Amino acid sequence: QSALTQPASVSGSPGQSITISCTGTTSDVGGYNYVSWYRQHPGKAPKLMIYDVTYRPSGVSSRFSGSKSGNTASLTISGLQADDEADYYCSSYTSSGTWVFGGGTKLTVL
Amino acid sequence: QLQLQESGPGLLKPSETLSLTCTVSGGSVSSTGYYWGWIRQPAGKGLEWIGSVNYSGYTYCNPSLKSRVTISVDTSKNYFSLKLSSVTAADTAVYYCVRRGTNGEPKTYDPWGQGILVTVSS
Repeated sequence: QSALTQPASVSGSPGQSITISCTGTTSDVGGYNYVSWYRQHPGKAPKLMIYDVTYRPSGVSSRFSGSKSGNTASLTISGLQADDEADYYCSSYTSSGTWVFGGGTKLTVL
Repeated sequence: QLQLQESGPGLLKPSETLSLTCTVSGGSVSSTGYYWGWIRQPAGKGLEWIGSVNYSGYTYCNPSLKSRVTISVDTSKNYFSLKLSSVTAADTAVYYCVRRGTNGEPKTYDPWGQGILVTVSS
């Protein structure tokens, strides 16, 4: 199984919005609405930010939103804050009954 | 609040078997709505899904690791385990234990344990 494709890095200034893409195939992202997004600060465990493409867990800011079009899922963060600087990973269920992650995107808040 | 805690040796020699345990508190591995799994992350790299087990012991694993991986659950002691045989330096990583929903629960990995660093070196 191949990893989902994410940009290596994105950046934005405080208050701006950014979008991170996650591209797979019809066998994973495109075929199921089981895409999740995780945020990972250095030295910490990943934290769930979005699940089932668009849903936010309780306690996650409404500044985080998810969407999907075809084989590409996206995470949008609005009103960027310094604490948003972290690595972000997407994941998806696959037609093989397994799970696959993206390679990760480093978000820099300028 | 559900909490997961990994434990096990932090240093192994090549060809040995990695054995990790994840203790579950604030919940039960006997819950029918969840799978219990393992995800690893080499230093400076991305996340890799290893596999999962449910309360009845049904497992499914990453095909690339399947021949070396055993994941099991102990409902009497409320923990689940990972065994990875014939380790090499490529298996050096932080290993996380996680819970995933099924049967009406969100199909996502949450929560995560804090992670345990396992180093393979001679």
